[in-house]
Parts: sequence; structure tokens; C-alpha cells
Amino acid sequence: AQSVSQHNHHVILSEAASLELGCNYSYGGTVNLFWYVQYPGQHLQLLLKYFSGDPLVKGIKGFEAEFIKSKFSFNLRKPSVQWSDTAEYFCAVRSYNTDKLIFGTGTRLQVFP
Amino acid sequence: GAVVSQHPSWVICKSGTSVKIECRSLDFQATTMFWYRQFPKQSLMLMATSNEGSKATYEQGVEKDKFLINHASLTLSTLTVTSAHPEDSSFYICSARDGGQGRGSFGSGTRLTVV
Repeated sequence: AQSVSQHNHHVILSEAASLELGCNYSYGGTVNLFWYVQYPGQHLQLLLKYFSGDPLVKGIKGFEAEFIKSKFSFNLRKPSVQWSDTAEYFCAVRSYNTDKLIFGTGTRLQVFP
Repeated sequence: GAVVSQHPSWVICKSGTSVKIECRSLDFQATTMFWYRQFPKQSLMLMATSNEGSKATYEQGVEKDKFLINHASLTLSTLTVTSAHPEDSSFYICSARDGGQGRGSFGSGTRLTVV
């Protein structure tokens, strides 16, 4: 069955620190990959997505993610975090076969000034 | 583009009553809609997939008679929580996808509290 793993459950950083959140999925076929962010009290927002082409994807607010097919990974990165990046981050995978979007368990990021 | 509207944003109901949640795609036709549930401090769990004009497909462990889904048009899907119990209290989120364009978006969610 399709599954998504986010190994970092809770990350605490100081402003200007670099960020990398891990995401691994288990599915052998063609997939679309997503990172969503949920700010406190708000709904999900799409940060970035990968469908095909350049495996390095740039999203909003300075985030980027790299799809490494051989490692079944789609890690999220940001060179310098800000206090306003404090939120819950979800990795999600959609397979071509099922069309379902399966979410990881989420990573809570706290950024302190 | 790909705007999804979900209503109501929050609802409180008594045990045993039913609650209907609406999910509308405002600027595209949603051939497929998904309903998710998010318990506090947990991830989103897919409950069911609805396709316009056909029966919804429920994920394992989700009671189809309790969570009624109707996708009567290409812009509207409804989730009805029947005979609600306190354990049904959760955050319900819909997602709509345009099959042609591949666009998809989430609604703002509905916080259901059953007392």
C-alpha cells in the first residue's frame, strides 16, 4: 500500500537557520509529490509540487524540494527560516493509479526569533 | 484559479443529530472530490473519494452509512455526518480536483464539535 513517512515530527530552529524536512514514500509507480503548509488556525496551503521535469522544484516563500527517485524522497528545504514559517508541514503523494492524495504525519516547525 | 469553498467553517451539534458539510469548486468543474478528516495533532486521513454521478469510494474503516457523501454536480459535494457522536468531533477538509486540468485545491475546513 502507498505510504508517506515524515521522520521529523517536531523541529525547532532559530531564525536564519537552514531547514530540511525529510519525506519518503513507498510506491513504485509514477507519482505526483506535494508539500503543504498549515499555519496555526488556518487551512492547508500548497507550498510546491512535483509532477515531472526538473527534480528540483521551487515553491512559494523561498521553499524548494528535490525529488530523488532512487531514494523515493522529496525533502523540503529553505536556506534561511523566518519566525513566520512556524507551522505544520505535510508531505503528500498522489499515485497515477489511485488518484488518492496520501499525507505524511506532518512535521511541526517552530522558529524562534 | 482552482478555488474551493467549504461551508460551514465550524459547527456545534448535539449527539444524535446530523450535520451536512458542503464543498464547492468555484471556478472549475471538479470531477473528483476527496474528503479528509484531521484529528488534533494528527495528519489528514482520507475518508472517501467521490466522483460526480457515482457512488463514493470509502477508505477502510470509514462507515459509509455514517458518513454520507453526495456528489450530485460537478461543482458540489456534500458530506453528511449522521447520528453524530462526540468521537466524530474533528476537522473535516474537502479537496476538489479538476480531472481535465489536473488542478486541485483544498477547502478551508469544517471544525465539527459534537456535544
